[in-house]
Amino acid sequence: SQQGEEDPQALSIQEGENATMNCSYKTSINNLQWYRQNSGRGLVHLILIRSNEREKHSGRLRVTLDTSKKSSSLLITASRAADTASYFCATAALLLSGGSNYKLTFGKGTLLTVNP
Amino acid sequence: ETGVTQSPTHLIKTRGQQVTLRCSSQSGHNTVSWYQQALGQGPQFIFQYYREEENGRGNFPPRFSGLQFPNYSSELNVNALELDDSALYLCASSWTRRAPGIQYFGAGTRLSVL
Repeated sequence: SQQGEEDPQALSIQEGENATMNCSYKTSINNLQWYRQNSGRGLVHLILIRSNEREKHSGRLRVTLDTSKKSSSLLITASRAADTASYFCATAALLLSGGSNYKLTFGKGTLLTVNP
Repeated sequence: ETGVTQSPTHLIKTRGQQVTLRCSSQSGHNTVSWYQQALGQGPQFIFQYYREEENGRGNFPPRFSGLQFPNYSSELNVNALELDDSALYLCASSWTRRAPGIQYFGAGTRLSVL
């Protein structure tokens, strides 16, 4: 079953604008990650935020996490046509108590289109 | 490039057949996970292997099985294929002691069941 729900399902913007995607989840997490997927190919990890963090930056990416609301947002600033892709949030939880392996549970994704 | 390779890239099978998908993990990664991604959906966790043993399983029936080998390559086997098994199958490798939970995905195998 899907853990998260991304919002919006699709987003179309002009090059240079900012893009914001939101994600909500249901259960407790160890960390939350965002991944990008181009045209039904493999996923690429973008950024990870731990459950005790509120905000994280990486280049043009900014992620926030609100554990009380079980929600996260991904902001891409100064978007480029090459940012066109599907973006997924994934919650990470330990598979076994006391272990160190994690299971990722993905949402349905946001399809971002950046028009040149 | 994530260093994770999957084969084949595309596969067409008929209902009732069996299929084996292969994955070569990134060097040094001791954990491999398999996901099924239906069209327009996010990936769904099938199972994970750690040190050649199944470490956890999602909501998939036993006809989905796997193997992990000492060189960290792995296989996903699906028996008695059904039409709903048509999807993109992704494998992802990770290293437990570093960057916890980050997984490195291959480009996937697209399976069509007719």
